[in-house]
Amino acid sequence: EAGVAQSPRYKIIEKRQSVAFWCNPISGHATLYWYQQILGQGPKLLIQFQNNGVVDDSQLPKDRFSAERLKGVDSTLKIQPAKLEDSAVYLCASSQLIRGSGTDTQYFGPGTRLTVL
Amino acid sequence: AQSVTQLGSHVSVSEGALVLLRCNYSSSVPPYLFWYVQYPNQGLQLLLKYTSAATLVKGINGFEAEFKKSETSFHLTKPSAHMSDAAEYFCAVSENSGYSTLTFGKGTMLLVSP
Repeated sequence: EAGVAQSPRYKIIEKRQSVAFWCNPISGHATLYWYQQILGQGPKLLIQFQNNGVVDDSQLPKDRFSAERLKGVDSTLKIQPAKLEDSAVYLCASSQLIRGSGTDTQYFGPGTRLTVL
Repeated sequence: AQSVTQLGSHVSVSEGALVLLRCNYSSSVPPYLFWYVQYPNQGLQLLLKYTSAATLVKGINGFEAEFKKSETSFHLTKPSAHMSDAAEYFCAVSENSGYSTLTFGKGTMLLVSP
């Protein structure tokens, strides 16, 4: 079974530029998550999709960050304009709830490392 | 609100020694608890999760964790460390059944010396 795919793996941009990250979840997984992981910290949830609808985007800086999941499969996360403090690894995860398991298990992609100069 | 505290940003052990990584949580409801491992330049991989069944949870690669409600802890252990265990370990909590909303700790880097 193929895992969660992300691209690009690395991106370097200057502040005030825009950037986009792409995620392809595990086939059949209805839920997709985007996390931001700043160096030395644990991942922080940015947005959660259920199929193509947003479940939770309370921690997404909506003045500069946007995300979409058209057709309920692939997802794109965009930053415009980027700031220095956006330098981080952006992780995508997907999950499928198994009946009787209590809670889902999130499977993570390798991440995109963003450096803002 | 849920939160996680991982004691020790770095833990060093010798190969063959006991591994103990500490995690304390705060939750207003019975929590779901997770341990993930992250190798350099890779995503997070689930080691184990607690879902209110057995309090002692066994995971992959010989790791296990015990849920102690009275201590609000979920410490990760392994009887004998291998060099390949060197990585960063994250504890996470979710208050939701169904689709989880994970709150992660800051992580503990495990260093294994020969």
